Amino acid sequence: QTVVTQEPSFSVSPGGTVTLTCGLSSGSVSTSYYPSWYQQTPGQAPRTLIYSTNTRSSGVPDRFSGSILGNKAALTITGAQADDESDYYCVLYMGSGKPWVFGGGTKLTVL
Amino acid sequence: QVQLVESGGGVVQPGRSLRLSCAASGFTFRSYAMHWVRQAPGKGLEWVAVISFDGGNKYYADSVKGRFTISRDNSKNTLYLDINSPRAEDTAVFYCARERSYPTFFFDQWGQGTLVTVSS
Repeated sequence: QTVVTQEPSFSVSPGGTVTLTCGLSSGSVSTSYYPSWYQQTPGQAPRTLIYSTNTRSSGVPDRFSGSILGNKAALTITGAQADDESDYYCVLYMGSGKPWVFGGGTKLTVL
Repeated sequence: QVQLVESGGGVVQPGRSLRLSCAASGFTFRSYAMHWVRQAPGKGLEWVAVISFDGGNKYYADSVKGRFTISRDNSKNTLYLDINSPRAEDTAVFYCARERSYPTFFFDQWGQGTLVTVSS
């Protein structure tokens, strides 16, 4: 069974930079998994941030960026703001006919 | 504008059935694969099922296979999820999501969710 790993929690100071990662329990994350990232605040639906590794969704500020770092997908927030305090989820596309897999999410605190 | 509106949630007894609906508007529904994603209280997002644009292909998470059925009616622009023999662990907010497909794969639109509570 495929397990997608994310840091359970992370903290960043206002104005700081943080990188959240998305890995596989076995193997490496590559662009072939089309990693995407979603932001969710309590009680709200997820919001699409990044798709196809590094493409920002419409309206997403450029302080959010995606990449592959080593064997993981990564979401970097540069110049963190208070309203970036949210849960962040990555999703990997495992191929046609296979389950899509969410990571467990990272709770980001800005303080 | 694109809208996805879920309905049909509520309290359901274990072993009973429930049908969730997701009404789509603002786009050509029949052109897109659609998904259900759920979130148990205080937990993360979990992918549940996907249906192809024409309904010809359906895939499920192992946790719901054999109990949940995804379907769609393209004439009504509506996605469905039939939940059969629900268990307490199926208690969750259920979201429908639109898939953007090849050459990329991601969820580009989300509904606001509908809460299903399985309880006797």
